[in-house]
Amino acid sequence: GAGVSQTPSNKVTEKGKYVELRCDPISGHTALYWYRQSLGQGPEFLIYFQGTGAADDSGLPNDRFFAVRPEGSVSTLKIQRTERGDSAVYLCASSLGSGLNTDTQYFGPGTRLTVL
Amino acid sequence: AQSVAQPEDQVNVAEGNPLTVKCTYSVSGNPYLFWYVQYPNRGLQFLLKYITGDNLVKGSYGFEAEFNKSQTSFHLKKPSALVSDSALYFCAVSSLERAGANNLFFGTGTRLTVIP
Repeated sequence: GAGVSQTPSNKVTEKGKYVELRCDPISGHTALYWYRQSLGQGPEFLIYFQGTGAADDSGLPNDRFFAVRPEGSVSTLKIQRTERGDSAVYLCASSLGSGLNTDTQYFGPGTRLTVL
Repeated sequence: AQSVAQPEDQVNVAEGNPLTVKCTYSVSGNPYLFWYVQYPNRGLQFLLKYITGDNLVKGSYGFEAEFNKSQTSFHLKKPSALVSDSALYFCAVSSLERAGANNLFFGTGTRLTVIP
């Protein structure tokens, strides 16, 4: 079956611009996660959705970052007034959403964001 | 606080030899441990996880990992390395340390190179 998909695969923008990154989870997965991976580092948690609601947004670095999942499937990560330090690979993952920490998270290929 | 350490940035092994990629963790409470592999320009692929039960966990592509509670370790192993195993490997931990939190904490990764 289809895995997690993310669009675009690459995004180049200028400092100060607004960007949207999209994630399409595995069908039937109610939990969705966003992570950010900087060069040479492991992924860092940003936000977790259970259904339509953000169950945990403690990883969002500041109020320029926002994510939505209005229908409980596709999610969009939105970054306002981008800064060069936002350059990274943004990874999306989904899981069955049992509410347990034991669920396996399946990752998409990521969106590479470059802020010039 | 949860954390994961992968003490080796780089591991080199000859094809056909056994390989070990090390991981140690720190959590309050029971740990849930995961290994993922990342190939160039691709997302993370799930290899295996430890939740409870048998300390030796078998996963995809012939990989296995051993949970050692006393040493707080979860080393990844394979009896005979293949050149195609060359990739970046991430260890991750999740726990019920923080109510409602379902995210993974990742190590910084270990680059495995299998030499023909």
